[in-house]
Amino acid sequence: DIQMTQSPSSLSASVGDRVTITCRASQSISSYLSWYQQKPGKAPKLLIYAASSLQSGVPSRFSGSGSGTDFTLTISSLQPEDFATYYCQQSYSALGLTFGGGSKVEI
Amino acid sequence: EIQLVESGGGLVQPGGSLRLSCAASGFTFSIYWMHWVRQAPGKGLVWVSRIYSDGSSTSYADSVKGRFTISRDNAKNTLYLQMNSLRAEDTAVYYCARDLMAVTGTEDFDYWGQGTLVTVSS
Repeated sequence: DIQMTQSPSSLSASVGDRVTITCRASQSISSYLSWYQQKPGKAPKLLIYAASSLQSGVPSRFSGSGSGTDFTLTISSLQPEDFATYYCQQSYSALGLTFGGGSKVEI
Repeated sequence: EIQLVESGGGLVQPGGSLRLSCAASGFTFSIYWMHWVRQAPGKGLVWVSRIYSDGSSTSYADSVKGRFTISRDNAKNTLYLQMNSLRAEDTAVYYCARDLMAVTGTEDFDYWGQGTLVTVSS
């Protein structure tokens, strides 16, 4: 199985800050990487797919980059509604999809 | 409006069975791959199973292989997860999710249900 490692596992930031979360795959996954936002008690929401494509309706302050094994999710100017946990997910392996452990962003 | 609505969760004893359903509406269900993803209380997301749009192929996480069965009824716009030989570690919120493969060629989840809680305990 492909393992996905996220860092940091949690962070504190202020409104307006630039926030970066990283995700590392245990082997190359090309650009088969997506990012999700999950708020407490809610289902996850797709933010980024194919490493850098912004899902429709997602604010442009969210961006993704990377390929191979190293990826980043960046929030350019943190807003109060961005308090959430963020997960990366690989879809390179047809045998099974895997998520990272999550990164909790506290305002 | 696209909706996915799960049902069928509840309390079950270890070794018991449960069948989850996910009713889809607002889109052409029959052309989309579908998945089940679970989340244990206070834990992260874990992929459980996938089924192709026509039901011709299924895949499972190792942790549920041989115990869970995913299926779909495209005439009823409904996805299912039959769960047998349940264990305490299967306790989680189970989400159904739509796959983006039909749209973008990538296997990502653009719509999720609200989740249904399965508790395995004696």
